[in-house]
Amino acid sequence: RKEVEQDPGPFNVPEGATVAFNCTYSNSASQSFFWYRQDCRKEPKLLMSVYSSGNEDGRFTAQLNRASQYISLLIRDSKLSDSATYLCVVDGFSGGYNKLIFGAGTRLAVHP
Amino acid sequence: DGGITQSPKYLFRKEGQNVTLSCEQNLNHDAMYWYRQDPGQGLRLIYYSQIVNDFQKGDIAEGYSVSREKKESFPLTVTSAQKNPTAFYLCASLNKGMDTGELFFGEGSRLTVL
Repeated sequence: RKEVEQDPGPFNVPEGATVAFNCTYSNSASQSFFWYRQDCRKEPKLLMSVYSSGNEDGRFTAQLNRASQYISLLIRDSKLSDSATYLCVVDGFSGGYNKLIFGAGTRLAVHP
Repeated sequence: DGGITQSPKYLFRKEGQNVTLSCEQNLNHDAMYWYRQDPGQGLRLIYYSQIVNDFQKGDIAEGYSVSREKKESFPLTVTSAQKNPTAFYLCASLNKGMDTGELFFGEGSRLTVL
């Protein structure tokens, strides 16, 4: 089993749609969780950290369920500019090391 | 401006040759990482380092080597033992906060083996 698994995608949605991505992780000792966005042939950039209580940033909402070991990202009112690959990242902190593991990514295509 | 600089941006190499990818950061971050990305795939961890003179193997370390002689620098050598080295290589450093952290990435190096 992979350490971090994501919905394979791609997700093709119209503008204005709500779309949700899920991610599961295998290491129950993981402490920190993130969503990154990656545009084609570019480096990933932090979209948002994921906190235990859940957090929201504008149209984006992230949730963490430690018991079930999954995190989610909800995008409301999708824009064309949201088209990108969304990467789930888990910090499998152990032995004093921050080992940040990426999921394979879920591609989102928003069309007019 | 603070950031991470990777070089070269594009690199071509013949089979059997070693090549070293440079990664320099002036963010004063302790932890640095090397990832590999293949087309349509996620990032896979090659090596990571928390402090100077210390580094750990990631999930796909075979055929790669690193050094961490200075806090600012974390070069990656792709050796001839790496059977499929053509990929996009990304270096990152970690800004570790109280409860969380953020990875800052360089712009990447695209290696093509001819």
